[in-house]
Amino acid sequence: GENVEQHPSTLSVQEGDSAVIKCTYSDSASNYFPWYKQELGKRPQLIIDIRSNVGEKKDQRIAVTLNKTAKHFSLHITETQPEDSAVYFCAARPWGQNFVFGPGTRLSVLP
Amino acid sequence: EPEVTQTPSHQVTQMGQEVILRCVPISNHLYFYWYRQILGQKVEFLVSFYNNEISEKSEIFDDQFSVERPDGSNFTLKIRSTKLEDSAMYFCASSNSGPTVGETQYFGPGTRLLVL
Repeated sequence: GENVEQHPSTLSVQEGDSAVIKCTYSDSASNYFPWYKQELGKRPQLIIDIRSNVGEKKDQRIAVTLNKTAKHFSLHITETQPEDSAVYFCAARPWGQNFVFGPGTRLSVLP
Repeated sequence: EPEVTQTPSHQVTQMGQEVILRCVPISNHLYFYWYRQILGQKVEFLVSFYNNEISEKSEIFDDQFSVERPDGSNFTLKIRSTKLEDSAMYFCASSNSGPTVGETQYFGPGTRLLVL
């Protein structure tokens, strides 16, 4: 079955700097890759996603890139702000199956 | 904006007791899910439910677990005889498109279950 790894497990950046979180997946049949943000004590919320037929997607300060050949995808946050501090989970899903989540990255944006 | 709701927010129970976690999915959604998240760990899929039956379940979802949609709005997760290792945050989620590419699952706020 699908296995998703995520690095780093924790990440601290200065406010205004960029943050990059990387995920790898094992099942080449996975075709959908969402990213969820989970603030402390709150529900996971979808922030961006990418399908396997797209290499990059951007939404304001957030972007995701996908390399199907290498089976990895990354979340990029530019101009980080304190409110970006949260745990970020990547996920992968083979067609017709359910999500497999990565272990999460705790991002701290330092003022 | 419609949201998935869950009750209770916290539940403390004794080992061996039965618990029922309740969820109200977004009203026009047809696909429902339960996930769990042990403290400090990743979100893990438990079960998906569509058309009044289980679509898929993980190896975590053993005979101690069951799900039900008792009426048109509620979706419940029952744990028959709780174990210490069942202590976790349980999230309900729903979607209107099912396991297709681009499906967005909306998560509830979670129920934190503590088994003593």
